[in-house]
This record gives sequence, C-alpha cells and structure tokens, in this order.
Amino acid sequence: AQSVTQLGSHVSVSEGALVLLRCNYSSSVPPYLFWYVQYPNQGLQLLLKYTSAATLVKGINGFEAEFKKSETSFHLTKPSAHMSDAAEYFCAVRKGIGGNMLTFGGGTRLMVKP
Amino acid sequence: EAQVTQNPRYLITVTGKKLTVTCSQNMNHEYMSWYRQDPGLGLRQIYYSMNVEVTDKGDVPEGYKVSRKEKRNFPLILESPSPNQTSLYFCASRPGGTYGYTFGSGTRLTVV
Repeated sequence: AQSVTQLGSHVSVSEGALVLLRCNYSSSVPPYLFWYVQYPNQGLQLLLKYTSAATLVKGINGFEAEFKKSETSFHLTKPSAHMSDAAEYFCAVRKGIGGNMLTFGGGTRLMVKP
Repeated sequence: EAQVTQNPRYLITVTGKKLTVTCSQNMNHEYMSWYRQDPGLGLRQIYYSMNVEVTDKGDVPEGYKVSRKEKRNFPLILESPSPNQTSLYFCASRPGGTYGYTFGSGTRLTVV
C-alpha cells in the first residue's frame, strides 16, 4: 500500500523567506508524485509533478520540488514567500503510469506573515 | 474552458434522503474520481473510474455508489445519507499517462 506523510500541519513564514513543505512517501513501485495547492473555498490546483524524469521538478508560481529516492522524500520549496502563497498544500502519490489510486497526505497550511 | 463541473456547490439534506451529486468534464478524460475532504484527514478517494462502465472502490467507498454510463459524467450517489457523510466532496478527472488530476470546485454536503 502507498502512503504519504506531510510533516507539519501548519507552517508559518515571513514574506520573502524560504518556503519548505515536507513530504515523505512510501510506495512498493516507482511512484508518481504530485503537489497540489488549495486556496480557500476552491478546488485543488496542480502545482507540479514527478513522473520519473528529472528529479528536480519546477512548477507554477515559482515552486519546485526534488525527488530523493534514498530519503523517500519530495519536499516542496520556494525561495521567497509571497502573501498570495498562503493556502493549503497537499502532497500525493500514485503507483506509476498504471496506477489508479491517488493517495494524499494530510495537508500543510502555509501562513505568510507580512 | 476546460473544466470539471460539480453540482450543487452546497447541499443540506436529512438523514436517509437519497441524493446525487453530479460531475461532468469537458476534456474527454478517461479517468474520473471522487474524493472527500475532512479536517485533519486530507483527501480520501471514494471511487474511481478508468473509463465508461469501469469503476472501482477507493479507500472509503462505504455508503456511496457511482456510475459511468458516459465518458463525461461520473455522478456520486448517496442512497441513504448519514451525518458521518457530512464532508466536502471533490470530483476530478485526468487523461491517461503521466498527467495529474483536474479538480472540480467542490460540493459541501451537510447531512442532519
């Protein structure tokens, strides 16, 4: 069975500071990994995905994530936080191209202080 | 505009009264899925569909039914809703291959 753990249900950073949201996964087969963002009262929007190509993945809004197989991690980073980044972020794992189950982590709420 | 459309956005109902939440996508996607989102639990998959007439259970299928008679539609049916099904529901779709899901705007269901 696959699973996702997001360390820290709430993360607070100052505007302009580095954003680091942690995600660890377990999967019995090479995984596909995703980060989604959810703004208040909205659905989820895909930020970026890892599908076994480059291990450093760039997404929208200046976010990127690095797949580290040895650490089973897929942490999300952004060099400089903006107020508009305040949202909930979800990491998710799927069992490769044939996988139908998409398993989400519990989510991390990012707060950005002025 | 490419999108996943869910209706209704908000619904309050009483225990035991059958209801259907509709979901439609205009992107010709093969895969569709239903999730529920609860505080502290993230999103959990209820059912998914790989194509017309092909569906399978997710992590939390009890109390729900789905059907996929047409490629674009994937309704979620609650035959006898109970208060523990009060939740925020999302429908999502994706094409085959490496793509991620596109999500609808959600349906907030309250069962009293």
